[in-house]
Amino acid sequence: DVKVTQSSRYLVKRTGEKVFLECVQDMDHENMFWYRQDPGLGLRLIYFSYDVKMKEKGDIPEGYSVSREKKERFSLILESASTNQTSMYLCASSFPGRYVLTFGAGSRLTVL
Amino acid sequence: AQSVTQLDSQVPVFEEAPVELRCNYSSSVSVYLFWYVQYPNQGLQLLLKYLSGSTLVESINGFEAEFNKSQTSFHLRKPSVHISDTAEYFCAVSEGTDDYKLSFGAGTTVTVRA
Repeated sequence: DVKVTQSSRYLVKRTGEKVFLECVQDMDHENMFWYRQDPGLGLRLIYFSYDVKMKEKGDIPEGYSVSREKKERFSLILESASTNQTSMYLCASSFPGRYVLTFGAGSRLTVL
Repeated sequence: AQSVTQLDSQVPVFEEAPVELRCNYSSSVSVYLFWYVQYPNQGLQLLLKYLSGSTLVESINGFEAEFNKSQTSFHLRKPSVHISDTAEYFCAVSEGTDDYKLSFGAGTTVTVRA
């Protein structure tokens, strides 16, 4: 019954490494999102995409990039991981204007 | 950007007791309001939403929230909690017709004890 799948639940990377976080949804949603979740800060939007190859910056895009080559897949890329990017990353998807986001289980990234 | 304040970061409560989670937002325009819940080791899922109409909205598992425009609040309540309600609860607000403009609060962790 899983609808939004994040490829890795736990990752440990070293400073300076390139990191890929993958997200796949099977609901044919146009919108896809990447959030970062930190204690005491809630969820902050990194990037979102409303169509294939389309992307918009969210509130905290610095240090991140995204790729959406297919409708069902949305990737978050950390070009050069830093320790302050240690966090839980949540992928979500939705139909436009429906206001109901379906979230994945999250990817906990630790950068050493 | 919207500001969403959840006034309590931790709420311990005994089983079968009532619970209230407070949420205030800053906006002078019409808003859409949501509560999401995150159970341990799971992603967030929508608990309930207010888009228009009755200011009191209910979820299927006994939670309710009331939109108060004058106080810019959307507090969540449940009259009798269960152990299974242990989770983190997030209030979220959108002030536009685009769902990407969803602002989340910092979250309230509810721990239900027997």
